[in-house]
Amino acid sequence: SAVISQKPSRDICQRGTSLTIQCQVDSQVTMMFWYRQQPGQSLTLIATANQGSEATYESGFVIDKFPISRPNLTFSTLTVSNMSPEDSSIYLCSVEGRMNTGELFFGEGSRLTVL
Amino acid sequence: AQTVTQSQPEMSVQEAETVTLSCTYDTSESNYYLFWYKQPPSRQMILVIRQEAYKQQNATENRFSVNFQKAAKSFSLKISDSQLGDTAMYFCAFFRSYNTDKLIFGTGTRLQVFP
Repeated sequence: SAVISQKPSRDICQRGTSLTIQCQVDSQVTMMFWYRQQPGQSLTLIATANQGSEATYESGFVIDKFPISRPNLTFSTLTVSNMSPEDSSIYLCSVEGRMNTGELFFGEGSRLTVL
Repeated sequence: AQTVTQSQPEMSVQEAETVTLSCTYDTSESNYYLFWYKQPPSRQMILVIRQEAYKQQNATENRFSVNFQKAAKSFSLKISDSQLGDTAMYFCAFFRSYNTDKLIFGTGTRLQVFP
């Protein structure tokens, strides 16, 4: 298993500002995944972050809105840019367990509220 | 496209009783993985149980077991001897076993265990 730490755990943000969420893993991993969980809803994959390459974004998510960094094999950041109330969600970082099986380990999530 | 359906938005059960959460999925693939993930009120998503489609035997993890009906594309989770700590959102998820594929989550079932 992997231990994943996310910061901040929660924040209240003003409309139009940006916030960067950090994700630290206790072991080296190839792929890191960023999910969004809107209130009362399921998880939606935002993007997959591989070290040394550009993140791969899912349909409906763009780099300008959700820039991602992946400077090494244990760390990644997700920025939510120019926030609006619709961005109020829990953002979760995850990493693969057994390779190519869909098994994931998750961080505790970052709950963002945009006023 | 693969889809995952959880038809029970909310369920409740008394402590020590047994409860079954339903999940159906749609796919034309023969090789895939199915999961149940648990998200307690503290938010950290954890893996409860995993089933490989090529295995006929139903997976079991202590008090948690699945009823995997491949032909019917059904994957229910049975929780025996329910405990207060089982109170959580439960997500059924599907993974197609391709290198570039992603985990697809259902909409979740909120389980409340009452004393």
